[in-house]
Amino acid sequence: EDQVTQSPEALRLQEGESSSLNCSYTVSGLRGLFWYRQDPGKGPEFLFTLYSAGEEKEKERLKATLTKKESFLHITAPKPEDSATYLCAVHQRNSGYSTLTFGKGTMLLVSP
Amino acid sequence: DGGITQSPKYLFRKEGQNVTLSCEQNLNHDAMYWYRQDPGQGLRLIYYSQIVNDFQKGDIAEGYSVSREKKESFPLTVTSAQKNPTAFYLCASSTVSNQPQHFGDGTRLSIL
Repeated sequence: EDQVTQSPEALRLQEGESSSLNCSYTVSGLRGLFWYRQDPGKGPEFLFTLYSAGEEKEKERLKATLTKKESFLHITAPKPEDSATYLCAVHQRNSGYSTLTFGKGTMLLVSP
Repeated sequence: DGGITQSPKYLFRKEGQNVTLSCEQNLNHDAMYWYRQDPGQGLRLIYYSQIVNDFQKGDIAEGYSVSREKKESFPLTVTSAQKNPTAFYLCASSTVSNQPQHFGDGTRLSIL
């Protein structure tokens, strides 16, 4: 069975304190790994797609990387507005349709 | 602006009542999805549809029904058979490939 595990469950940082969120996965034939940001009471907002090991994507203070077993979302010098839940999802090659398996998310709180 | 509109934002269901959640998209996406989100759990797939007049059950379809009569619309009915309907319901859409899914802002369903 496909599994997507995110760690830590929650992370509290001081403004400017860089850190990383982890997403480990066990799927056969990865077709893509997706990162989303979700604010309370809102739908997830798409951040990045990674398709192959070694790939990296950047957006402002966020950088996503991918290996064969896991992905990291690096947050450099975070600001309070980066506080949100970050979700990871994987799309596998064997499925006949484009469905995703989501992790439970990492809740990030950045204090001023 | 292109996007996904879910309505209502809040919905209350009485015992034994069916309720329908609306999802409309103007992104010209072929695929649409319904997820359920509970505290501490990842998004779980209820139903998905790749084309008009066709849909498939996801991981937790029992007690739910859908229709896809138009490309733009994918309503979800929570039937009285769903014994634990209290949750945050999210609708998403994507092109038919391993492309990112884009989400609406959800409907929060509660029991009266």
